[in-house]
Formats: sequence, C-alpha cells, structure tokens
Amino acid sequence: AQSVSQHNHHVILSEAASLELGCNYSYGGTVNLFWYVQYPGQHLQLLLKYFSGDPLVKGIKGFEAEFIKSKFSFNLRKPSVQWSDTAEYFCAVTNTGFQKLVFGTGTRLLVSP
Amino acid sequence: DVKVTQSSRYLVKRTGEKVFLECVQDMDHENMFWYRQDPGLGLRLIYFSYDVKMKEKGDIPEGYSVSREKKERFSLILESASTNQTSMYLCASSLLALRTGMVYEQFFGPGTRLTVL
Repeated sequence: AQSVSQHNHHVILSEAASLELGCNYSYGGTVNLFWYVQYPGQHLQLLLKYFSGDPLVKGIKGFEAEFIKSKFSFNLRKPSVQWSDTAEYFCAVTNTGFQKLVFGTGTRLLVSP
Repeated sequence: DVKVTQSSRYLVKRTGEKVFLECVQDMDHENMFWYRQDPGLGLRLIYFSYDVKMKEKGDIPEGYSVSREKKERFSLILESASTNQTSMYLCASSLLALRTGMVYEQFFGPGTRLTVL
C-alpha cells in the first residue's frame, strides 16, 4: 500500500539552529509532493510543493525541500529556525492525476527562544 | 482569499446520536475532502467528492457518510456516533484539473473538534 513516513515525531531546536525534517514515501510512478504546516491554533496551510522540474523547491518563510527520486525522499529544510516556526509539519504525497493525498503522521517542531 | 468554513469549532455529542458536520467553500472548487486528525496518526481521509452528488471513499469511511447537494457544501454524517469517533475533523477543498491531471493545493478549514461521550 502507498504510504508516507515521517520518522521524526518530535523535534526540539534552539533559535538559529538548522532544521531538516525527513519524509519518505512508497509510491511508484510520477509523484506530487507537498509539505503542509499547522501553526498553533491555525488552519493547515501549504508550505511548498513539488510537481516536476527542479528537484529543489523553495516555499514560504525560508523553507525549502529537495526531491530525491532514488531515495523516495522529500526532506524539508530551513537553515536557521525562528521561534515562530514552532508548529506541526506534515508531508503529503499523491500520484500525478490522483486527487487523494496521503499524509504522513506529522512532526511537531518546538523552537525555543 | 480562499475560505473554507466549518459549522462548529467544538461539538459534544452522546453515543448513538446522529451528527452532522458542515463545510462550505467560497472558491468554486470541484474537490472537497473530509479528514480526521488524531495525535500520532496525522490526517486520514474519510471521504472526498469531485462533483455534486459524487463521492469516493477514503481510507477510513466506516461509520461515516457524506452528502454533496451543492458545489460549495460538503457534509459529513456520523449515523450513530461512537466514542472512537472523538477526533478533530478537517474539511478541505481544491481545484480539479480534469485534462492535465494536475493536483492542486488543498485549502483547509479551521476544524471541528468532536467529543463523543
């Protein structure tokens, strides 16, 4: 079955530390990849997405993610986190043409000031 | 600005009650989705709809049904609520690209936290 794995369930960082959150998927074929973020008390919102082309994707608030097809991975990165990045982050995957997203279990990030 | 609204932020119901959760979007999106969000389990798709009166089962449809009579409105129905349906329910909508197969961003509502006693 198609699945998405986020191995880091909880991450605690100090401000200015670098961030990398892992996302691996088990899909065949052409994939579309997403990272969503849920700030405390807010709606889930899109951080960035990959459909095709440059495997390094830049999103909002200084986040980026790299699609590595050979590793079935789409890891999220930020060079220097801020306290305001405290949130839960979800990776999601679908095959091109399929409207259903499969979400990972999420990673809770706490950034201490 | 895309807006997805859900009828209640918090809801408390008793076991066996019939529960209706309503979702409305104002961007003329074809696709609408219902998820439940549980700690450690992420978001799991219950049902989705790509057109009025059309519905598709998601990964966990048991115990739920849906209704889409108008394009902007998608209802989730718990026929007989049970305690294991206590959860956060999220509605989302997105555009549908029939010819290209493009998968568009989903826009989420604020969620309804349902407690079944």
